[in-house]
Amino acid sequence: AQTVTQSQPEMSVQEAETVTLSCTYDTSESDYYLFWYKQPPSRQMILVIRQEAYKQQNATENRFSVNFQKAAKSFSLKISDSQLGDAAMYFCAYGNSNYQLIWGAGTKLIIKP
Amino acid sequence: GAGVSQSPSNKVTEKGKDVELRCDPISGHTALYWYRQSLGQGLEFLIYFQGNSAPDKSGLPSDRFSAERTGGSVSTLTIQRTQQEDSAVYLCASSPGVAGGLETQYFGPGTRLLVL
Repeated sequence: AQTVTQSQPEMSVQEAETVTLSCTYDTSESDYYLFWYKQPPSRQMILVIRQEAYKQQNATENRFSVNFQKAAKSFSLKISDSQLGDAAMYFCAYGNSNYQLIWGAGTKLIIKP
Repeated sequence: GAGVSQSPSNKVTEKGKDVELRCDPISGHTALYWYRQSLGQGLEFLIYFQGNSAPDKSGLPSDRFSAERTGGSVSTLTIQRTQQEDSAVYLCASSPGVAGGLETQYFGPGTRLLVL
């Protein structure tokens, strides 16, 4: 069975600095997607970035980028130039041809002004 | 609408009462998901609807929980005889329904349920 592990319950970063959130997963499949979702205090789960496993190039969305290491089964999220609005819970999720997403436990990101 | 909507936003009920939570997915999305998120936890899958197929109810924690989806659109999650451990945020998501877990799920704002 697939599993997703986020080993950092909480991270903090100074505003304008860079922070990396870790995620590892376990699977024997070759075709899958990985997602980072953000959940601010408003509770709305918002997609930050996604990565297709077959793509070697790391996904990037503005200040957000991933370091996808397929062999190591690692999928970390890097946030550059951190802003106060980035403060939220961040969840890593794994999806395959089965519809169920497998979720990590989340990392709480605190931005220090 | 532009996104997934859920109602009510918050619900406070007494132990033993029934509650209904509503989800209105993005127009055209055939896949609909219900999740439960307990305080400080990740998401727990509850149920999945895809088009006219029979729903996957494998995540429902007990027979007090049920859900239906009328006309392939709006879904209602019903919790009968609520218990204090049912207190959580209930999130609904929808997706186009063409690629299973290989597509992005779009979430509603959730319903926070508090059972006293």
